[in-house]
Amino acid sequence: AQTVTQSQPEMSVQEAETVTLSCTYDTSENNYYLFWYKQPPSRQMILVIRQEAYKQQNATENRFSVNFQKAAKSFSLKISDSQLGDTAMYFCAFMKQVAGTASKLTFGTGTRLQVTL
Amino acid sequence: DTGVSQNPRHKITKRGQNVTFRCDPISEHNRLYWYRQTLGQGPEFLTYFQNEAQLEKSRLLSDRFSAERPKGSFSTLEIQRTEQGDSAMYLCASSPPNRVVSGNTIYFGEGSWLTVV
Repeated sequence: AQTVTQSQPEMSVQEAETVTLSCTYDTSENNYYLFWYKQPPSRQMILVIRQEAYKQQNATENRFSVNFQKAAKSFSLKISDSQLGDTAMYFCAFMKQVAGTASKLTFGTGTRLQVTL
Repeated sequence: DTGVSQNPRHKITKRGQNVTFRCDPISEHNRLYWYRQTLGQGPEFLTYFQNEAQLEKSRLLSDRFSAERPKGSFSTLEIQRTEQGDSAMYLCASSPPNRVVSGNTIYFGEGSWLTVV
């Protein structure tokens, strides 16, 4: 079974600053995907960024980037130039690759990020 | 393109009553998922369909829970003889076929809040 650990229950960052959210995971699988999802106060889960485990290059999406360390089983999210709209719960999630198709997500417990003025 | 739609958004029911939630996935998404989320926790996997076939069920899905996806389009999640411990948000999600570039990305609905009193 896979487990995902987010050790930072809450974080705060000032607007325009950079913040890094931590995530570690445990798996015996070699082929998998990792995701960061954002859940704003309105509660809909939104995909922020995804990483394929077979890719060495770290994924980036505008102000969001990851630091994927496969050997260490670490997958942190960096948010640059933080904006008030980034305030949300952030969930790290793991997906085992099954015959090249999507399977279920296993989530961490989340990090609540507050962006302040 | 509309997102994953869930109804009702909120439901308050008395203990012992049955409730049913409906999920309409994104058009042409062949996979559909149900998750449960309690306050301060990450979503927990309940069950998963590929087209009309229910491929996996979590141990969290007790005998009182049943999910269907009769024609491979919308899905229903029924909870019989509700208990206070069933109070949670029930999230539906869907993902496209594997042939699509984003085939391993799961898209979530806004969730259905259940309160059992």
